[in-house]
Amino acid sequence: QQQVKQSPQSLIVQKGGISIINCAYENTAFDYFPWYQQFPGKGPALLIAIRPDVSEKKEGRFTISFNKSAKQFSLHIMDSQPGDSATYFCAASKGNRDDKIIFGKGTRLHILP
Amino acid sequence: NAGVTQTPKFRVLKTGQSMTLLCAQDMNHEYMYWYRQDPGMGLRLIHYSVGEGTTAKGEVPDGYNVSRLKKQNFLLGLESAAPSQTSVYFCASSYRRGTGELFFGEGSRLTVL
Repeated sequence: QQQVKQSPQSLIVQKGGISIINCAYENTAFDYFPWYQQFPGKGPALLIAIRPDVSEKKEGRFTISFNKSAKQFSLHIMDSQPGDSATYFCAASKGNRDDKIIFGKGTRLHILP
Repeated sequence: NAGVTQTPKFRVLKTGQSMTLLCAQDMNHEYMYWYRQDPGMGLRLIHYSVGEGTTAKGEVPDGYNVSRLKKQNFLLGLESAAPSQTSVYFCASSYRRGTGELFFGEGSRLTVL
């Protein structure tokens, strides 16, 4: 049972464009939604995270948009750069009511120079 | 500043052999996790620990055992390796339940022939 569905599986964007990765969840008990970035040969690293009490969170060129009623959240990368080429994972947890963080299947992003 | 260290980084096993992956963290984190990463499957939680002497099952625990005898170490064991266990294994640690940032190691690539 996949609890966090992520799309697309892969994405190619021109330099300077906007990259958009979407995730959907089913369990309404989830209340913490992080995004992780992974470069080849490395472990994932936290990029940005959001709680459902806000609809949007921005950190530099990275923005999370959250739609609680639709149980969806997305990552937007503005002015995408070749250095952003990586695999991105969305994730979800029940906050401090659970010990586990469940990940989506990942999106491989490639930014064309 | 080592963070999370995994050993070994690469290993080739024959079907039926046993081995142990070691994860060590120097951040005094209570929570530790073992994930496996497979193409198109994302990160799947194998086992986790909420403190020294404790372990719990994740999404895909079958065929694996774990131990947390010391707070800084989390061991993942394969008693009788199978080709289906060919994967990249990531250890992670966190300072807070559920909402804490996961700090990942660089991974251990295991091939079972």
